[in-house]
Amino acid sequence: RKEVEQDPGPFNVPEGATVAFNCTYSNSASQSFFWYRQDCRKEPKLLMSVYSSGNEDGRFTAQLNRASQYISLLIRDSKLSDSATYLCVVNPLTGTASKLTFGTGTRLQVTL
Amino acid sequence: DVKVTQSSRYLVKRTGEKVFLECVQDMDHENMFWYRQDPGLGLRLIYFSYDVKMKEKGDIPEGYSVSREKKERFSLILESASTNQTSMYLCASSSTTGAFNSPLHFGNGTRLTVT
Repeated sequence: RKEVEQDPGPFNVPEGATVAFNCTYSNSASQSFFWYRQDCRKEPKLLMSVYSSGNEDGRFTAQLNRASQYISLLIRDSKLSDSATYLCVVNPLTGTASKLTFGTGTRLQVTL
Repeated sequence: DVKVTQSSRYLVKRTGEKVFLECVQDMDHENMFWYRQDPGLGLRLIYFSYDVKMKEKGDIPEGYSVSREKKERFSLILESASTNQTSMYLCASSSTTGAFNSPLHFGNGTRLTVT
C-alpha cells in the first residue's frame, strides 16, 4: 500500500460546481497534513494546511479523519482558475527533519 | 515571502556529463530538499539536508549526490548523467521551527533533459 494515495482523476466539473477529493494515508502516526496545488509545468504551491478540527479558506474546506486515515478537500463554486493538480501531503514524522510524503495528485479540470 | 531560486529553468546535457543543479533560499530555513517529479510517479525525494554539511538520503538517491556548504544553498550533483535522469527537478526548503506543521516552499523547477 502506498503511503499516500489519491484518485488521479481527472475530475471534469462545470464552473460553479462543488467538487471534493479524498486522500488516504497509511501511517497512523502522521502528524501534519497539507494540500498543495500544482499548475501545469509549475512548481507545487501550498494551498492550505489541514487541521484536526477542519478548516476553511474562502471556497476551500479541508477536513481530517484520523480514525479512517484520510483527508479531504472541498471546493465550492469552482472557477476556471481552479483547474490544476491537487497534491495531498502528509508528514509521517520519521526523523530529524520534516520529511513530507506526497500523493501523486488529483487533476481537476473546470469547464465553462 | 519565501523565495527559493533554482539556477536553471531548462538544461540539456549529454550522457556521462557531470551536472550541477543549484538552489538558494532566502528565508534562513534549516531544511532543504531535492525532489524529482515524473508523470505517474509524483514527487520523489532524492536527498535532503537539515543543517549545513548534513545530508540524508531520500527515497531515490542512486546516481545523485548533494552538497550543503552554506545554509542558504543546496546543490544536487549528477556524477554521470544518464537518460533515465531526464526529469523535472524541484528544490524546496522548510523551517524547523514548528516543524510538524512547517510546509515546503518550492523553487520553480529545473527541467533536465539528458541525451
